Amino acid sequence: GAGVSQSPRYKVAKRGQDVALRCDPISGHVSLFWYQQALGQGPEFLTYFQNEAQLDKSGLPSDRFFAERPEGSVSTLKIQRTQQEDSAVYLCASSLERGSNQPQHFGDGTRLSIL
Amino acid sequence: RKEVEQDPGPFNVPEGATVAFNCTYSNSASQSFFWYRQDCRKEPKLLMSVYSSGNEDGRFTAQLNRASQYISLLIRDSKLSDSATYLCVVILNYQLIWGAGTKLIIKP
Repeated sequence: GAGVSQSPRYKVAKRGQDVALRCDPISGHVSLFWYQQALGQGPEFLTYFQNEAQLDKSGLPSDRFFAERPEGSVSTLKIQRTQQEDSAVYLCASSLERGSNQPQHFGDGTRLSIL
Repeated sequence: RKEVEQDPGPFNVPEGATVAFNCTYSNSASQSFFWYRQDCRKEPKLLMSVYSSGNEDGRFTAQLNRASQYISLLIRDSKLSDSATYLCVVILNYQLIWGAGTKLIIKP
C-alpha cells in the first residue's frame, strides 16, 4: 500500500492477556518507530528499528513489552500480561533513512483497551 | 522541565483570523524540527518541516529561533478545517521528542 498500515485498528483484551500489534511500513523505508499515545498527550517513543536491528528500546515501559522486525519490513509489538495502564493508542511510523531529517509517516494506530 | 513544551490551549479563534503559537525546546543540540497536525482520534500527520531560515506553505509559516530555542507556527486566514491539535516535534540524534500539542478551535 501507499502508506503505513497497522492492524488491528481496535483491540479489546482482558487484563492478563497477551496482545500482538502489527505494523506494515511504507515499502523501502529503513527506519521504523513505535509510539504509545495516551489520551491528550503527544506520542511517547517506545522503540526504533533500522532494518531488522532494534537500535533503541529505551522507551519500552516494562519487560512485558517486546518488539521485533525479523525481516526488516513488517514489525510486531507484543504486550504480555496486559495491564489496564497499557490502554492507549499504539502508533507505528516509518521513514526513509536512519537518523536523518526525513519526517516520519504514521499509520492509523491501534487503539488498545484493556478491561 | 519538559524537553519540548507547548501551551496546551485551547486557542479559540474566529474564522479568518491569524493565530500563532510557539514551542520551546530545552536541548540546544536539537537538529531538526517539524510541525504535525493531529485530528481527534486520528494519527499525527506531517504539516511542515521547520527550516532555519523560516519557511512558508500557503497560509502556514514556520520559524525557528535557535538562540531562544523555540519554533513557531503562524496560520493566516484561518479556516474551520484548521481546527486540530498541533504537535511540535524535535529530533535529537534519531529520536523524535514530541510536545503534548496545542489545541486550536476555529469558530465560525
